[in-house]
Amino acid sequence: QKEVEQNSGPLSVPEGAIASLNCTYSDRGSQSFFWYRQYSGKSPELIMFIYSNGDKEDGRFTAQLNKASQYVSLLIRDSQPSDSATYLCAFLHPLSGGSYIPTFGRGTSLIVHP
Amino acid sequence: DAGVTQSPTHLIKTRGQHVTLRCSPISGHKSVSWYQQVLGQGPQFIFQYYEKEERGRGNFPDRFSARQFPNYSSELNVNALLLGDSALYLCASSFSSASQPQHFGDGTRLSIL
Repeated sequence: QKEVEQNSGPLSVPEGAIASLNCTYSDRGSQSFFWYRQYSGKSPELIMFIYSNGDKEDGRFTAQLNKASQYVSLLIRDSQPSDSATYLCAFLHPLSGGSYIPTFGRGTSLIVHP
Repeated sequence: DAGVTQSPTHLIKTRGQHVTLRCSPISGHKSVSWYQQVLGQGPQFIFQYYEKEERGRGNFPDRFSARQFPNYSSELNVNALLLGDSALYLCASSFSSASQPQHFGDGTRLSIL
């Protein structure tokens, strides 16, 4: 069973602070990792993807990947109330025939309070 | 450009009935995947189709089936509905296989009475 572990939260941070969201995964063969944001009642929206060890930055978001520790994180700088949502971590594991299927964590609820 | 579109947005059924959900991928995307999401959980993979062929199947009973059409749109069918099938059903598309980032539609919320 390929698993993704996330703390369900809620994680509460003040406006302007850095929010740190964490995810661990069990499949050492995983090569691709994704972070999705999901507002209540809406569908997931892709925020970041990362394939290589290290950091990847996009605006206020930074994804960090450590394959040796099987750990991926998402940092949100200058958090805004509009960032309040559930953040889903996902990784891909390969199927025979060259396809991949994503496995999602249950998500971490983030609350940014003014 | 239009994103992934799903229909209907909401659906109410009773136990034992069957349902068909529809999805149109982003233009140019050839891969469609279906997910079930229950409250408080992440999306659970049901099927992946690429170039009209099933490429992957999650741990769901045979009551669930799907197909992809020549225009890359897709249908998810669920027979003999159970109360536990109540969920948000999400369709996601990507250019090729699921190794590409997937983009989700708004989903179909299915309620079983």
